[in-house]
Amino acid sequence: QSALAQPASVSGSPGQSITISCAGTSTDVGAYADVSWYQQYPGKAPKVIIYAVTKRPSGISNRFSGSKSGTTASLTISGLQAEDEADYYCSSYTSSSTWVFGGGTKLTVL
Amino acid sequence: EVQLVESGGGLVRPGESLRLSCAASGFSFSSYSMTWVRQAPGKGLEWVSSVDSGDSSRDYADSVKGRFTISRDNVENSLYLQMNNLRAEDTALYYCARDKSYYDVLTGFQTYHFDSWGQGILVTVSS
Repeated sequence: QSALAQPASVSGSPGQSITISCAGTSTDVGAYADVSWYQQYPGKAPKVIIYAVTKRPSGISNRFSGSKSGTTASLTISGLQAEDEADYYCSSYTSSSTWVFGGGTKLTVL
Repeated sequence: EVQLVESGGGLVRPGESLRLSCAASGFSFSSYSMTWVRQAPGKGLEWVSSVDSGDSSRDYADSVKGRFTISRDNVENSLYLQMNNLRAEDTALYYCARDKSYYDVLTGFQTYHFDSWGQGILVTVSS
């Protein structure tokens, strides 16, 4: 059950777009549509921002979008805003009937 | 409004036991699978265990298998995590989360994600 691979940090200026990758394997990201992304502010619980690879929950800005190609999922945030500065985690179901999270990516808005 | 409130955390010594509870309200608890996720201080999220709506199927991370037991009481609307033989590396903030399903009519796939989370409860294992 190795964690999905995410960059430790990404940064961007307000208004720019950034993409966070989430590399898995053929037994997790590559095998299932159960890929989701979570946003977490310091001292707060995580919040789902993308589920089923590309779907946004009600109330989540359309600046957030998800995609998947093979064994790698991606989260793109367009029109970066200061309030987007947070930690982001991907997650996937696995063929072992377990779940796995990515190591997390700290987004800094310059 | 969906509410999940964890309790039962605290400071214990290595080898001791602890039972976490998660009180659910605002939704039909018995209709949802539930999950425990933990986060060590300054670290990322780690899935711990999940249980289906009827308490008939339980899955565990390798790191806790054989030591932790997940269970639920659909009458009391509560989720539990019995943690035995605790180790220093079990020190973390433990979250309970609701598993929400989504059915894509175009692909025919049913997927799950964690759509509601509690505020977390701290478990510290130290001598």
